[in-house]
Amino acid sequence: NAGVTQTPKFQVLKTGQSMTLQCAQDMNHNSMYWYRQDPGMGLRLIYYSASEGTTDKGEVPNGYNVSRLNKREFSLRLESAAPSQTSVYFCASSKRTGEVLGEKLFFGSGTQLSVL
Amino acid sequence: KQEVTQIPAALSVPEGENLVLNCSFTDSAIYNLQWFRQDPGKGLTSLLLIQSSQREQTSGRLNASLDKSSGRSTLYIAASQPGDSATYLCAVNTGGFKTIFGAGTRLFVKA
Repeated sequence: NAGVTQTPKFQVLKTGQSMTLQCAQDMNHNSMYWYRQDPGMGLRLIYYSASEGTTDKGEVPNGYNVSRLNKREFSLRLESAAPSQTSVYFCASSKRTGEVLGEKLFFGSGTQLSVL
Repeated sequence: KQEVTQIPAALSVPEGENLVLNCSFTDSAIYNLQWFRQDPGKGLTSLLLIQSSQREQTSGRLNASLDKSSGRSTLYIAASQPGDSATYLCAVNTGGFKTIFGAGTRLFVKA
């Protein structure tokens, strides 16, 4: 009963390096999300995927790309990491079918990323 | 632009005390409001979800209320325990796939 699984849990990058954060859910959810959490701020939406095959920008998409590989997996890529991208990244999923709203978000345990 | 505020940022109470956490939002046009719990180094766990048409939801020792007209929600925790120590976040869904989070209230329950 894993829920939402994120890898890696910790990562240190040098400025300019690239990396991909992986996320997978086993709840057969349609929608998946990437958030970042910074000290003293609420979580902010980076990108989301309403359903398999679609992705859309959230509040803070600059410097990131995403891929909805299949219904289970949603990855976040940093092409050229910057110190401003030091943050904790969370993947989440929700059932979301059609126009149904009001469903719970289920979160992974997060990736702590430091960019030096 | 919807903004979500949680005050206080941190709270320390003795074990057994009943307590209330506050959440306010600037735009009453919301679809639902969720309360989450976050333990250090962990992800968020949804505690309660209140639809915009509802006034409150209860789960065990937790009760969440919603007053859309005033832009406020409260999370009531009865008979607090040290295991309740965590950060509590509220979040409002404003339609579509956009959920706006508050920065959270860090709760410490002293044994």
